[in-house]
Amino acid sequence: DGGITQSPKYLFRKEGQNVTLSCEQNLNHDAMYWYRQDPGQGLRLIYYSQIVNDFQKGDIAEGYSVSREKKESFPLTVTSAQKNPTAFYLCASTPGLNTGELFFGEGSRLTVL
Amino acid sequence: QKEVEQNSGPLSVPEGAIASLNCTYSDRGSQSFFWYRQYSGKSPELIMSIYSNGDKEDGRFTAQLNKASQYVSLLIRDSQPSDSATYLCAVNLFYGQNFVFGPGTRLSVLP
Repeated sequence: DGGITQSPKYLFRKEGQNVTLSCEQNLNHDAMYWYRQDPGQGLRLIYYSQIVNDFQKGDIAEGYSVSREKKESFPLTVTSAQKNPTAFYLCASTPGLNTGELFFGEGSRLTVL
Repeated sequence: QKEVEQNSGPLSVPEGAIASLNCTYSDRGSQSFFWYRQYSGKSPELIMSIYSNGDKEDGRFTAQLNKASQYVSLLIRDSQPSDSATYLCAVNLFYGQNFVFGPGTRLSVLP
């Protein structure tokens, strides 16, 4: 079945550490996105990518980095520069940039100890 | 600043009743509208998408769009306890702007 796989589902990090969240899709979608969700809030866009080797900052990119070396993969690194990284992170994709409906992975919950 | 607003709730309805969820948006140029359901601790899943003024029905769900008044609503008929979740409204513009999400409305269907 086609879908988006995120890993790990749960991650604990000590302050000062970088962590990388994995996102893999087999939907053959061109566009991929990373969102952050905090309790009681809507989704906020961190980064998005329309095509391999190209990505753009979203509304809250500071303290995060991404890469898009393969169409299927869009990993997100939460760096030590991110001041409040504890959140639920969601990877999503669409057939083309901002076209159609967003398909979401199962999410990764990051907790900073 | 593009904004999407929803009542945060919780909205409580008895089992079998109609639940009505509302969403307003600020950008008149918005073209695509989506309702997602999100269970606690889970990722959002698409319930309905609507692109034209009027009603769109899918089983127990009906989406209503009124572009002149800049609102979109979701009606859930014969509400079930399994419908208890947070419902997210999302909006985007065709010309490449990103999806904008509302904060979500928490629905509780009481047995």
